[in-house]
Amino acid sequence: GEDVEQSLFLSVREGDSSVINCTYTDSSSTYLYWYKQEPGAGLQLLTYIFSNMDMKQDQRLTVLLNKKDKHLSLRIADTQTGDSAIYFCAERRAAGNKLTFGGGTRVLVKP
Amino acid sequence: DGGITQSPKYLFRKEGQNVTLSCEQNLNHDAMYWYRQDPGQGLRLIYYSQIVNDFQKGDIAEGYSVSREKKESFPLTVTSAQKNPTAFYLCASSVHRDYTGELFFGEGSRLTVL
Repeated sequence: GEDVEQSLFLSVREGDSSVINCTYTDSSSTYLYWYKQEPGAGLQLLTYIFSNMDMKQDQRLTVLLNKKDKHLSLRIADTQTGDSAIYFCAERRAAGNKLTFGGGTRVLVKP
Repeated sequence: DGGITQSPKYLFRKEGQNVTLSCEQNLNHDAMYWYRQDPGQGLRLIYYSQIVNDFQKGDIAEGYSVSREKKESFPLTVTSAQKNPTAFYLCASSVHRDYTGELFFGEGSRLTVL
């Protein structure tokens, strides 16, 4: 199986909160990331969390990390139509400078 | 403005032809990467380079080749040996040994083999 796994799709109403989940397998991961990809474009870093942290908040974004369960989540508060995109989680392992990406979660925000 | 430029944005190729995708960055980053994106499969690493004149294979290097003669340029050649080349290709760069490991991405090149 993949090293980093995400659900494929999430539908949410405008104004509600979105929660996107990710699981990873490598306990040596040092940093974990959330990237956003809009249609036909490259990826843009939204936020990242260091592996010794449990939570990080940045405006509407909250990242939660459960290192014991190797589970990462991204919560988007007050979801807007502009938040419709594909969201990728990624891990950086202790060795090397490479990132391993999940398959991406497509988020659709309905008015 | 600083950034990564990929060209062309769209490219069509006949089977059996080699094609080269361009990637240029003016961020003064040491490391550059090529990823392939297929629907629902996320990004898979093709090649990466941490310094000029050096590069390493990623997870799916077969059928691809790269060069890194200049710091700002990292072209990718998709050869006729690549069995399923139709995909969206993304180039990225990062500051080598940057503790956050943040990748900066280009806008991508979509290759279609006819």
